[in-house]
Amino acid sequence: AQTVTQSQPEMSVQEAETVTLSCTYDTSESNYYLFWYKQPPSRQMILVIRQEAYKQQNATENRFSVNFQKAAKSFSLKISDSQLGDTAMYFCAFEGGSEKLVFGKGTKLTVNP
Amino acid sequence: EADIYQTPRYLVIGTGKKITLECSQTMGHDKMYWYQQDPGMELHLIHYSYGVNSTEKGDLSSESTVSRIRTEHFPLTLESARPSHTSQYLCASSEYREDNYGYTFGSGTRLTVV
Repeated sequence: AQTVTQSQPEMSVQEAETVTLSCTYDTSESNYYLFWYKQPPSRQMILVIRQEAYKQQNATENRFSVNFQKAAKSFSLKISDSQLGDTAMYFCAFEGGSEKLVFGKGTKLTVNP
Repeated sequence: EADIYQTPRYLVIGTGKKITLECSQTMGHDKMYWYQQDPGMELHLIHYSYGVNSTEKGDLSSESTVSRIRTEHFPLTLESARPSHTSQYLCASSEYREDNYGYTFGSGTRLTVV
């Protein structure tokens, strides 16, 4: 079974600075999707960024980018120019052939003014 | 606007009551899911469906049941609520798109059983 590990339960960053959230996963599959989801306090879970395993180029969405290391099974999220609205729980998630999303335990990110 | 809707948003109910949590999506997605989110925020898949009349149990054992009679509707039912069912329940849907693949989540139902 696939597992997703987020080793940082909590992190904090100053507004306008850069922060990197870590994620590792375990799978024997070669084709899969990786996602980062954001869940603000008492609000809806939203997709931040996705990465297809067959694409070597790291995905980027505005201030959010990933460092995808397939051989190391690592999928970190970098948030540049952090904003107060980035304060949220961030979940790393994996979807393989089972077509079910498996989540890590999440990282609580606080952006301080 | 395409979206996924969950009702009620908050529910406080007594032990032994039967409850149904509603989930509807307007995107025509075949795949739908129910996740239970514990107080530590960890997410566990409890039910999923790949289409009408298809339902499966997820990785976390749950006393709830689901049905999928229509593509857009995926309700979750607890026949007899207990305090151990107190949790947040998130509904999601997905369908593969070449350049726009992901799961869409509802706002959740926060259930408290007293």
